[in-house]
Amino acid sequence: AQSVTQPDIHITVSEGASLELRCNYSYGATPYLFWYVQSPGQGLQLLLKYFSGDTLVQGIKGFEAEFKRSQSSFNLRKPSVHWSDAAEYFCAVGEDDYKLSFGAGTTVTVRA
Amino acid sequence: GAVVSQHPSRVICKSGTSVKIECRSLDFQATTMFWYRQFPKQSLMLMATSNEGSKATYEQGVEKDKFLINHASLTLSTLTVTSAHPEDSSFYICSARDERGADTQYFGPGTRLTVL
Repeated sequence: AQSVTQPDIHITVSEGASLELRCNYSYGATPYLFWYVQSPGQGLQLLLKYFSGDTLVQGIKGFEAEFKRSQSSFNLRKPSVHWSDAAEYFCAVGEDDYKLSFGAGTTVTVRA
Repeated sequence: GAVVSQHPSRVICKSGTSVKIECRSLDFQATTMFWYRQFPKQSLMLMATSNEGSKATYEQGVEKDKFLINHASLTLSTLTVTSAHPEDSSFYICSARDERGADTQYFGPGTRLTVL
């Protein structure tokens, strides 16, 4: 069975500082991995995804994530956060693009 | 990106009544839509896959007679929570598969259901 763990429930970061969100997964085969962002009143928006190839994936809004098979991790990073990055972030794993298992989410607060 | 809407965004109902939630793909056709449920501070759980013109496929542990899914057109799927009880209170999110281009899925903003 596939599962996702996001160890950090809530992270507070200063505007302009770097951000890293952790994600660990459990999956029997080569996984499809995703990061989504959810802002209040809006649907989940895909930030980036990994299927194969280069283990460092670039996404939208300046985010990137690195797949590390040996650590079963897919951590999300951004070098310099903006106040608009305050949101809830979800890591997900799936056997394809659609039937996904999500982590519990990490809430990011950005302080001025 | 493509847009998926849900209606209503919030609903409160009495225990024992049925509630229908709509999921629409606004600018693309979707033969496949998905319904998720999200409990507070927990992850989204896939409930079922909605297939246009055929029966939905339910995930293990999801009661198909409790959560009725109808996908009668290429832009609309509905989830009906029948004989709702307080434990059905949750945040329900749909997504729709866009097979054009990158073939990805887009999520609706969710529906908050509260059963009194």
